[in-house]
Amino acid sequence: GNSVTQMEGPVTLSEEAFLTINCTYTATGYPSLFWYVQYPGEGLQLLLKATKADDKGSNKGFEATYRKETTSFHLEKGSVQVSDSAVYFCALSDRGYGQNFVFGPGTRLSVLP
Amino acid sequence: EAGVVQSPRYKIIEKKQPVAFWCNPISGHNTLYWYLQNLGQGPELLIRYENEEAVDDSQLPKDRFSAERLKGVDSTLKIQPAELGDSAVYLCASSLRGDTEAFFGQGTRLTVV
Repeated sequence: GNSVTQMEGPVTLSEEAFLTINCTYTATGYPSLFWYVQYPGEGLQLLLKATKADDKGSNKGFEATYRKETTSFHLEKGSVQVSDSAVYFCALSDRGYGQNFVFGPGTRLSVLP
Repeated sequence: EAGVVQSPRYKIIEKKQPVAFWCNPISGHNTLYWYLQNLGQGPELLIRYENEEAVDDSQLPKDRFSAERLKGVDSTLKIQPAELGDSAVYLCASSLRGDTEAFFGQGTRLTVV
């Protein structure tokens, strides 16, 4: 079945540090890939997405590139801020198999001033 | 545009009691999802609707959980009777049919005591 694996957290960084959160996936079809963010006490918000190989999703300084050859979708940001502290979820949606979203376990990021 | 609305935000009940959660999706969204999110984990699909039809309920514990989406708009998820292990956040999401992006509500945090 389809699955998503993320690097375990928590990740603690100083403000302005470089961020990478690794994500790899297993899918039987040709999925779309997503990063969702969850701030404390809130629901999930879409951060960025990519629908085909080599696409780069970007938003709010975050980027991720759909790498079909390595089945990866790593999240990066060049300079994190305290306000980026949240839990980040990598997810896939396989339209060929019902469009159910499959999520990774989440990675908690804490950014210190 | 209003987002996905869920109620209540919080619910505390005693074990063996019934509980119900309500979700109003984004207007025009045909696909509605209910997800379960345990503490420190990623969301897991319970049921997916296309309009009023439940097209994937394979992960719904049907001995105690039920759901309905009358008229293909609002949806209700019910647990009867609740168990201690049902304590979690219940998330509702919606998306356009054929679209790849799901929008999430803020969730209902259930505590069973």
